[in-house]
Amino acid sequence: DIQLTQSPSFLSASVGDRVTITCRASQGINSYLAWYQQKPGKAPKLLIYAASTLQSGVPSRFSGSGSGTEFTLTISSLQPEDFATYYCQELNRFGGGTKVEIK
Amino acid sequence: VQLLESGGGLVQPGGSLRLSCTTSGFIFSNYAMTWVRQAPGKGLEWVSGISTSGGSAYYADSVKGRFTISRDNSKNTLYLQMNSLRAEDTAVYYCAKAGPPTFGSAFDFWGQGTMVTVSS
Repeated sequence: DIQLTQSPSFLSASVGDRVTITCRASQGINSYLAWYQQKPGKAPKLLIYAASTLQSGVPSRFSGSGSGTEFTLTISSLQPEDFATYYCQELNRFGGGTKVEIK
Repeated sequence: VQLLESGGGLVQPGGSLRLSCTTSGFIFSNYAMTWVRQAPGKGLEWVSGISTSGGSAYYADSVKGRFTISRDNSKNTLYLQMNSLRAEDTAVYYCAKAGPPTFGSAFDFWGQGTMVTVSS
């Protein structure tokens, strides 16, 4: 079975920082990778689909890239509302999540 | 687009529950649907998915043989019948809509979730 592994699992950062989260697949996958943001007590929200396409309404400071076995989500300048947990997903698989907290 | 789950609650081990997901704001019959769950303090786990017509259903190994996904396109509603429930099924259950084909396998809209607690 293909596994999705996110790193880091926890990240402490400051407002304005550039943040990069990685999602590695145990085998090559197509570029159907998606990224979600989840805040406590809320449903996940789609940020990026097809590895690099920004969902409508999502701020442009979010971007996605990658192919094959390595994908990244980048937040170019972290804002207070971005402190949350982020998940990658492809088909029926989710990564373990990356919690972004305030330094 | 709105998705609203219902049917969660407290159930004893071995018991059953049926979750519903009532939808509006999109042509329900045009989109595959899925259930995703999240145990307390844990990550997201895909549970089950169903094709547009309901003719194809898919399950995680952890629920295969115990859960049944279905849909009623005339009522714009998705269901999850959960039998032989175990403590490890305790989670918030979300229904989610598959995006259009260009979205790959992404889920573009999610319900607010319904809590299922399996405990004696």
